[in-house]
Amino acid sequence: EAQVTQNPRYLITVTGKKLTVTCSQNMNHEYMSWYRQDPGLGLRQIYYSMNVEVTDKGDVPEGYKVSRKEKRNFPLILESPSPNQTSLYFCASTPSRLAGPRTNTQYFGPGTRLTVL
Amino acid sequence: GQNIDQPTEMTATEGAIVQINCTYQTSGFNGLFWYQQHAGEAPTFLSYNVLDGLEEKGRFSSFLSRSKGYSYLLLKELQMKDSASYLCAVLPPDRGSTLGRLYFGRGTQLTVWP
Repeated sequence: EAQVTQNPRYLITVTGKKLTVTCSQNMNHEYMSWYRQDPGLGLRQIYYSMNVEVTDKGDVPEGYKVSRKEKRNFPLILESPSPNQTSLYFCASTPSRLAGPRTNTQYFGPGTRLTVL
Repeated sequence: GQNIDQPTEMTATEGAIVQINCTYQTSGFNGLFWYQQHAGEAPTFLSYNVLDGLEEKGRFSSFLSRSKGYSYLLLKELQMKDSASYLCAVLPPDRGSTLGRLYFGRGTQLTVWP
């Protein structure tokens, strides 16, 4: 089954304790993204990756790191989490732009609800 | 810059028709998406428009006017399960700084009453 998976789905942690949220897709997509969603602010892109070893900042990258060592995986790293990073996080993947614009819909993972105390 | 605007909330009754508008002012344009998102769940794809006009898909239709920077999502024969947030998102052109980007509006929360 074609899907994007994220782990963990729920996480409660404390300020300053490093954490990683994993994201994996099995569709051989080139593009992957991380979003955070907060009430009243909608979906905001944190980082995106256009291919292995190619990443770039989105709209709200501060406090986050990413890596893309393999095509299928795109982990989100919070080196020193703070309470303002409490949010619902979504990973998404997209086929190559070369496949044509109609395939550019983003496939979202199920979400990770993070609480930083 | 990117500015995508949609109403925050809308309500309607079961069986009715509702139109959710989205206006955008973006640096270039390569298509507009509509997504549906139920509370606590991931967004799911509804429609994609890149040319002007109406695209119909069952009970849902989406319209685009590029010259006006305007789109709407039309939901017919509303059902209770249509209560959700509807997200408008703009795809920028394929330039080096925008590859892989998708700009979302803040979403319209639709409540369908019996």
